[in-house]
Amino acid sequence: QKEVEQNSGPLSVPEGAIASLNCTYSDRGSQSFFWYRQYSGKSPELIMSIYSNGDKEDGRFTAQLNKASQYVSLLIRDSQPSDSATYLCAVNRDSGYALNFGKGTSLLVTP
Amino acid sequence: DAEITQSPRHKITETGRQVTLACHQTWNHNNMFWYRQDLGHGLRLIHYSYGVQDTNKGEVSDGYSVSRSNTEDLPLTLESAASSQTSVYFCASSTGHSSTDTQYFGPGTRLTVL
Repeated sequence: QKEVEQNSGPLSVPEGAIASLNCTYSDRGSQSFFWYRQYSGKSPELIMSIYSNGDKEDGRFTAQLNKASQYVSLLIRDSQPSDSATYLCAVNRDSGYALNFGKGTSLLVTP
Repeated sequence: DAEITQSPRHKITETGRQVTLACHQTWNHNNMFWYRQDLGHGLRLIHYSYGVQDTNKGEVSDGYSVSRSNTEDLPLTLESAASSQTSVYFCASSTGHSSTDTQYFGPGTRLTVL
């Protein structure tokens, strides 16, 4: 079973701080990596995707990928209470289109 | 606007009954997926399809079946519902052009098996 591991949290950060979410994966053949955000009672929505080693920035969000260490992270700068949600790390399965998800990290941004 | 819908949104059924959950997308996506989400387990892949007449098993496929007769729909059938299948079920779709494609999720179906 190919694994995607995340710390379940909850991760609590004050408003305006940087939130750092981490994910490790076991399948060295994985090529595509995704971060989804899921609010309670809602469906997952894509925040970021990354395919190459290094950093990818989109507004307040930065995804970081290190394939040698099999590690992907998501940084949220200037965290807002509206960022409070569960963040799901996902990795493509068997070099295909289907995804393996981690169990998610719960983030709480306190005013 | 193109979208992905699921029905019903909530379903209560009894053990042993056959149940079918509908998923319909209007994006003309080749790929469609079914996941279940449970506390402590995250999202787990049940079945998926990469095109009409194509279906594949995911990691938790026992007790479930799918069929793909057209591009728009991938219904999920629970052959004989069990209490262990009480869960929230999400359907998703993607274009199928690349493994980097975004998967778009439907609103989910909450299923309770009594």
